This record gives sequence, structure tokens and C-alpha cells, in this order.
Amino acid sequence: GENVEQHPSTLSVQEGDSAVIKCTYSDSASNYFPWYKQELGKRPQLIIDIRSNVGEKKDQRIAVTLNKTAKHFSLHITETQPEDSAVYFCAASTGYNNDMRFGAGTRLTVKP
Amino acid sequence: ETGVTQTPRHLVMGMTNKKSLKCEQHLGHNAMYWYKQSAKKPLELMFVYNFKEQTENNSVPSRFSPECPNSSHLFLHLHTLQPEDSALYLCASSQDLRDSPLHFGNGTRLTVT
Repeated sequence: GENVEQHPSTLSVQEGDSAVIKCTYSDSASNYFPWYKQELGKRPQLIIDIRSNVGEKKDQRIAVTLNKTAKHFSLHITETQPEDSAVYFCAASTGYNNDMRFGAGTRLTVKP
Repeated sequence: ETGVTQTPRHLVMGMTNKKSLKCEQHLGHNAMYWYKQSAKKPLELMFVYNFKEQTENNSVPSRFSPECPNSSHLFLHLHTLQPEDSALYLCASSQDLRDSPLHFGNGTRLTVT
């Protein structure tokens, strides 16, 4: 089955700096890669996703890149703000939610 | 956002108790899920229902028993749990099983004493 590794487990940046979170996956059949943000005491929420037919996707300050050959994908947050502080989860699936596997999460802290 | 509502928010139960977690979604979705979230571990998929039919049971112990009476409601019945079952239990829904973002509830924080 799919195995998703996520690094780092914690990340601290200064406000305004960029943050990068990396994930690797094992199943070459995986083709859908969402990222979820979970603020303290709140529900995980989808912030961006990418499918295997594209290499990069941007939405304002966040972007995701995918390298299918190397089986890794990354989340990039630019101009970080304190409200970006949360736990971020990557996930991978073959397109079916019942085989989606999540990474262990990255706790991002943005210092004002 | 109140698309997926879970009750109760917190639950403390002894190992011999029987309790139930409830999830309701108001999004018109067809698929519903139970996930277990433990500290510093990946979200673990427990059960999946699609159009009220269970499609997945990820080797979950029988002390967890799901019930899906209709596409809008999902229950997780708990009995004779162990302390290691203490975790945040998240319900989620999606339009269908394929290529469809998950919408999570706020979770039930379960403590087994």
C-alpha cells in the first residue's frame, strides 16, 4: 500500500520568510496529492491540491510542486504570516479517497 | 462553516462503558469517513461509507462499530475500549469517492480511562 513520509515534523520561520514542507510517496500509481491545514483545535481544511498531470500549482502565497519521477511533492508558502501557523498534512492517493494516505504532519510556527 | 458537525466535542469514558459518536453532514455528499488522529502520527482511515454502503474497514478492532443510516449521518459506536484508543476522532465527507476533497468535522476528543 501507499506510504507517505513528511518532513520536517516542526518548522519555525520568521514572519515574511518562506516555508517549504516536503513529502515523498511510495506508490507510483498515486496521482492526486492534496494538502490540508489544521489550526489548533480546529478541523483539517484543504488548502491546495495537485494532480499528476501538472508539475506545479499556485494559489496566491501557496504553491505545490510535484516530481513524479522522484515521487516527491512539496508545499511552498511565501511571505509567511502568523496566521499561517498550523499543522500541515500532505496526502497521496490513486484518486480514490478510500486509499488516501496522509503524512504525519508538519507543525509550522511563524514568529512575528 | 458548519458543513460537517460532530458531537460530542469531548468524551471521557471508562473501559467498560458504551458510547457513540455522531456525525452529520449538510453538504449533500455521498461518501462519509471516520478517521483517527493520534499525536505525531498520520491520520488513520478507519471506515468509509459510499451511498450508505461500507466500502472500507481498515482492520479496525471490533470494539469500534460504525453505522450509517443514511448519506447524511454517520455514527461510531464504542464499547470496551482501551486507553490506547484515546485520540481525536474525525468524521469527513466528500461528494463521492473519486477526485473529491474531504470536508472534515471538528472531531471528538476521546479519552479512555
